[in-house]
Amino acid sequence: DGGITQSPKYLFRKEGQNVTLSCEQNLNHDAMYWYRQDPGQGLRLIYYSQIVNDFQKGDIAEGYSVSREKKESFPLTVTSAQKNPTAFYLCASSINRGLDQPQHFGDGTRLSIL
Amino acid sequence: QQQVKQSPQSLIVQKGGISIINCAYENTAFDYFPWYQQFPGKGPALLIAIRPDVSEKKEGRFTISFNKSAKQFSLHIMDSQPGDSATYFCAASRPEKLTFGTGTRLTIIP
Repeated sequence: DGGITQSPKYLFRKEGQNVTLSCEQNLNHDAMYWYRQDPGQGLRLIYYSQIVNDFQKGDIAEGYSVSREKKESFPLTVTSAQKNPTAFYLCASSINRGLDQPQHFGDGTRLSIL
Repeated sequence: QQQVKQSPQSLIVQKGGISIINCAYENTAFDYFPWYQQFPGKGPALLIAIRPDVSEKKEGRFTISFNKSAKQFSLHIMDSQPGDSATYFCAASRPEKLTFGTGTRLTIIP
């Protein structure tokens, strides 16, 4: 079955620690996205990538970093500079950046502070 | 700056009734409007979508109504069922990215 796999499902971060969230897709999609979901705020775009080795900041990129070394993988690092990292993180992909290409989502990683 | 405003925040509808969720947008550059359904602990899934050259789109019990001049669009769920209980997000798209509304938690009661 094709889809998007996010791991781990739950993650805990200590003060001053960087953590990396994994996102893998086997849909052969070019575009991948990271969103942050907080109660009452919907989904906000952190970073997106349209092609391997290229990515752009979204609306709330501060305190986060990404890489896109392979088409199927788009890991997100939550750095110690992100002072309020507790949230539900969602990874998505789409065939390409074109209009009306639906985004397919993984089942998320819930990050909490210890 | 919230570019897509969604209401209500929560909605309770009796089984068999009509659920209506409304969204309004500001940026006229948006030209694709999807709705997503999300169950607890899961990622959102595309439910139905519309382009602004169409005023209405229906798929089964789900209908999008679109008013381009008012910059508003809405989701109607006919014959609402307990399995429809979920959080619904409207969104608006430019080619690079989606902007989401804040979500509506829908509860269908017997």
